[in-house]
Amino acid sequence: QKEVEQNSGPLSVPEGAIASLNCTYSDRGSQSFFWYRQYSGKSPELIMSIYSNGDKEDGRFTAQLNKASQYVSLLIRDSQPSDSATYLCAVRYGNKLVFGAGTILRVKS
Amino acid sequence: DAGVIQSPRHEVTEMGQEVTLRCKPISGHNSLFWYRQTMMRGLELLIYFNNNVPIDDSGMPEDRFSAKMPNASFSTLKIQPSEPRDSAVYFCASRTLDRGGEKLFFGSGTQLSVL
Repeated sequence: QKEVEQNSGPLSVPEGAIASLNCTYSDRGSQSFFWYRQYSGKSPELIMSIYSNGDKEDGRFTAQLNKASQYVSLLIRDSQPSDSATYLCAVRYGNKLVFGAGTILRVKS
Repeated sequence: DAGVIQSPRHEVTEMGQEVTLRCKPISGHNSLFWYRQTMMRGLELLIYFNNNVPIDDSGMPEDRFSAKMPNASFSTLKIQPSEPRDSAVYFCASRTLDRGGEKLFFGSGTQLSVL
């Protein structure tokens, strides 16, 4: 069973703070990792992908990958109320993109 | 481009009825995915097509579920007969693969309620 584990939250952070979202996965052979954001009642949308160990930055978002620990994280700097959503970690296992259950993020103004 | 188009947006039906969900992927995308989302089980992959051919249907829960992709611009997911436990949001997604990596584009989803 290929698994992707996330803390369901909710994670509450004040506006302007750093939000840290975490994800672990079960298969050491996985090569592709993604973070999707899903607003309530909407469909998921891709915000970051990462394929190699280390950090990848895009604006206020930084994805971090540690394959030895089978761990992926997403940092959101200067969190805004508009960042309040569910963040889904996804890992590619062969043909399948397996999603975690998601972490609810609430940014309080 | 209009994105991935799904219909209907909402479907309410009675147990035992046939339900057909429809999807039009983004033009030029060769891969199409059907996912189901519930609070209990999250987002689950049901079936995946590549170039209109079903590649992996191991996520289809039962024989009551079937999916087709007769051409590159249309896919259907059918449930017959439907049951209350099929109530969920069903998403269709198409995929790009380029130097930047892969990206799934999701449709708006179909909210299915089986009474």
